[in-house]
Amino acid sequence: EVQLLESGGGLVQPGGSLRLSCAASGFTFSSYAMSWVRQAPGKGLEWVSSISTSGSNTYYADSVRGRFTISRDNSKNTLYLQMYSLRAEDTAVYYCAPRSPGANPFDYWGQGTLVTVSS
Amino acid sequence: EIVLTQSPATLSVSPGEGATLSCRASESVSSNLAWYQQKPGQAPRLLSSGASTRATGIPARFSGSGSGAEFTLTISSLQSEDFAVYYCQQYNKWPLTFGGGTKVEIK
Repeated sequence: EVQLLESGGGLVQPGGSLRLSCAASGFTFSSYAMSWVRQAPGKGLEWVSSISTSGSNTYYADSVRGRFTISRDNSKNTLYLQMYSLRAEDTAVYYCAPRSPGANPFDYWGQGTLVTVSS
Repeated sequence: EIVLTQSPATLSVSPGEGATLSCRASESVSSNLAWYQQKPGQAPRLLSSGASTRATGIPARFSGSGSGAEFTLTISSLQSEDFAVYYCQQYNKWPLTFGGGTKVEIK
């Protein structure tokens, strides 16, 4: 059974930093590209960032480029999202989701971790 | 970026009736379009990909169609568990984008 467990969310002040983690199990983590997708309270889904299977290629939404860094540790089956210079508009539930390499959808989703940026 | 426009924003349907949801792309995404279902307090769930291929375990009453820039998700005979928000998503080009969602509510 595929399991994706996000952690690291919480309350942070504007301008602060936070690192999210996603522990994966139930599938061959190193064979899947991984992504972060977020959802602001009461809003729709927004893709944030993706990383290739090896970690050599990364992709970012314009809204987070230069502030967020995605990474992965295939030896630990874990995905990360380092977030800097957080803004109120970054407040959202952050989901991790695997994708088969190539043009493919998000096969599975974690339950998400809530990040709240507020003073 | 490719903009996905979903319509209607809200659809009121009686249990047992059918529903048709639309997703229009600002440019062709070929068949690289997925549909997701999200219930309150839950993560999204993949319903279909490749515009028309149902994901594992998805009932046959869910049917996706279309290609290019016009797509449709049809739900035949809505069950109580189908009342939710539905999102389309294109994975043809970076950045990956989602539609704004269609809420299917009980009439």
